[in-house]
Amino acid sequence: AQKITQTQPGMFVQEKEAVTLDCTYDTSDQSYGLFWYKQPSSGEMIFLIYQGSYDEQNATEGRYSLNFQKARKSANLVISASQLGDSAMYFCAMREALGGTSYGKLTFGQGTILTVHP
Amino acid sequence: GAVVSQHPSRVICKSGTSVKIECRSLDFQATTMFWYRQFPKQSLMLMATSNEGSKATYEQGVEKDKFLINHASLTLSTLTVTSAHPEDSSFYICSAPTASEKLFFGSGTQLSVL
Repeated sequence: AQKITQTQPGMFVQEKEAVTLDCTYDTSDQSYGLFWYKQPSSGEMIFLIYQGSYDEQNATEGRYSLNFQKARKSANLVISASQLGDSAMYFCAMREALGGTSYGKLTFGQGTILTVHP
Repeated sequence: GAVVSQHPSRVICKSGTSVKIECRSLDFQATTMFWYRQFPKQSLMLMATSNEGSKATYEQGVEKDKFLINHASLTLSTLTVTSAHPEDSSFYICSAPTASEKLFFGSGTQLSVL
């Protein structure tokens, strides 16, 4: 069974500084995908970044980058130059192997509440 | 880009009534959609997988007679909470996979049962 662990219930960062949100995972699949989503107080799930298990380079999307360490089974999210609008809940998630109706099914971590201070 | 529309965003109902939540893929076809449930300050838990033209697949512990799922077309899946009770009050959110790696979510439905 797949498992995602986010060990930081809450994180604080000063505006304009960088912050790393931790995520470790456990799976026996060789092919999998790792996602980060942002959930503001409105509840919507905003896609931030994706890393495939076979991708050799770390994914980047604007101010977001994913520090993928496959051997350690970690997929930490790095947010550079934090903004007040980054304050939200952040979820790490893993997608099962491709194929069949399992495609797109996600297992989520517990989430990390990020607070950006001015 | 791909968009998933979910309605209503918020619903308040009396105990014992049924509530229907719709999830639509607006510019792509979704043969599969996923329904999640989220309690305050907690993670998302998968309830069921909605399959177009066939029966939904429910996760262990989810009552299929309580949470009816219908996926009658390639762009619409519905979740009906039957005979709702206060313990069913929660945030329900759907997602649909596209051909790309990105998975898109609806905006969610906050259900409050009085």
